[in-house]
Amino acid sequence: AQTVTQSQPEMSVQEAETVTLSCTYDTSESDYYLFWYKQPPSRQMILVIRQEAYKQQNATENRFSVNFQKAAKSFSLKISDSQLGDAAMYFCAYRNPVYMDSNYQLIWGAGTKLIIKP
Amino acid sequence: DVKVTQSSRYLVKRTGEKVFLECVQDMDHENMFWYRQDPGLGLRLIYFSYDVKMKEKGDIPEGYSVSREKKERFSLILESASTNQTSMYLCASSDRPQDTQYFGPGTRLTVL
Repeated sequence: AQTVTQSQPEMSVQEAETVTLSCTYDTSESDYYLFWYKQPPSRQMILVIRQEAYKQQNATENRFSVNFQKAAKSFSLKISDSQLGDAAMYFCAYRNPVYMDSNYQLIWGAGTKLIIKP
Repeated sequence: DVKVTQSSRYLVKRTGEKVFLECVQDMDHENMFWYRQDPGLGLRLIYFSYDVKMKEKGDIPEGYSVSREKKERFSLILESASTNQTSMYLCASSDRPQDTQYFGPGTRLTVL
């Protein structure tokens, strides 16, 4: 079964600096989807960035970028120029390829709490 | 913008009560999901629905049931609430299975 591991329960970073959140996963599939979601305190979970495994290019969304290492099964999130509004729980998630079956389930990591120091 | 709403932000119930959590989405999405979020465990899927009146069990369906009578509405039912069901419950929806899931604000349920 697929698993997702976020080894850092909590991270802190100084405002304006760069921080990298780690995520590793285990799968025997070659084509899948990976996601980073953000859950600010008392606010809704929102998608930060998404990566299709067949794409070699790392996904980027403004100050957020990923380092996707397929062979190593690693999917880290880099946040540049950290802002106070980036403080949140960050979750890494994995999804099997659509053709596999009707299971639409995302497999989630335990989350990393990101603290931004002013 | 996609909007997913949940009936309550905070709910306090007593052991043995029947509890209804409702979720409504306004984007005509086919797929809807109920998750339970507990510290250190991430999100765990309780049930999902890929069409009206269709449902599939997730990882932790025991003690829960669901209902989807209309496309936009997906209800989670705790038939007889227990203290170990105290948790944050998140609803989500998506158009296609591989698409982004859009989440509601969550319901923090406390069972006394």
